Amino acid sequence: QKEVEQDPGPLSVPEGAIVSLNCTYSNSAFQYFMWYRQYSRKGPELLMYTYSSGNKEDGRFTAQVDKSSKYISLFIRDSQPSDSATYLCAMRMSAGTASKLTFGTGTRLQVTL
Amino acid sequence: NAGVTQTPKFQVLKTGQSMTLQCAQDMNHEYMSWYRQDPGMGLRLIHYSVGAGITDQGEVPNGYNVSRSTTEDFPLRLLSAAPSQTSVYFCASRKGEKLFFGSGTQLSVL
Repeated sequence: QKEVEQDPGPLSVPEGAIVSLNCTYSNSAFQYFMWYRQYSRKGPELLMYTYSSGNKEDGRFTAQVDKSSKYISLFIRDSQPSDSATYLCAMRMSAGTASKLTFGTGTRLQVTL
Repeated sequence: NAGVTQTPKFQVLKTGQSMTLQCAQDMNHEYMSWYRQDPGMGLRLIHYSVGAGITDQGEVPNGYNVSRSTTEDFPLRLLSAAPSQTSVYFCASRKGEKLFFGSGTQLSVL
């Protein structure tokens, strides 16, 4: 079993929809949670970063962490065609430089006109 | 501002050949790393460096070598390429919790 599980999709939604992307994990020691966005043939870029449980909002994006359920989510409001990309969740146990970052496999999102 | 630059973008090798993937960053980040990305496997850490002269192994280091003689450069060497090393390779530098990725090298080993 992988430490981090993520549905690969693809997930297709119409423009303007609310998108929910999710990851589950098995290691309760994870404390730092990130979402990266990766456009086709590009490197990933950091979208959201949260520490421990709770919500964090940035514009149309909200990251949610539920450590009791070992479940993290990324919500995208008013989705746009430019949001079409692969979304990778990532997490680590500590903030130390050598602390390994574990990635999910990514969910491919397609926002249609 | 160039960020993290990787060369080449595409490469085809024959089994047994060696090559070096280049990575350079202009942000003065101490931490640099190499990942490979394979379908269904996600990003996996190959090697990383926390500063010039210091390198360490990641999750999948076999068949790869690295060195870090300067803060800016972190090349990845494939010693004897194998078909299992067909992948997309990403170099990344890090500041705080944020990784800055290059645009990747697509490598095929025949």
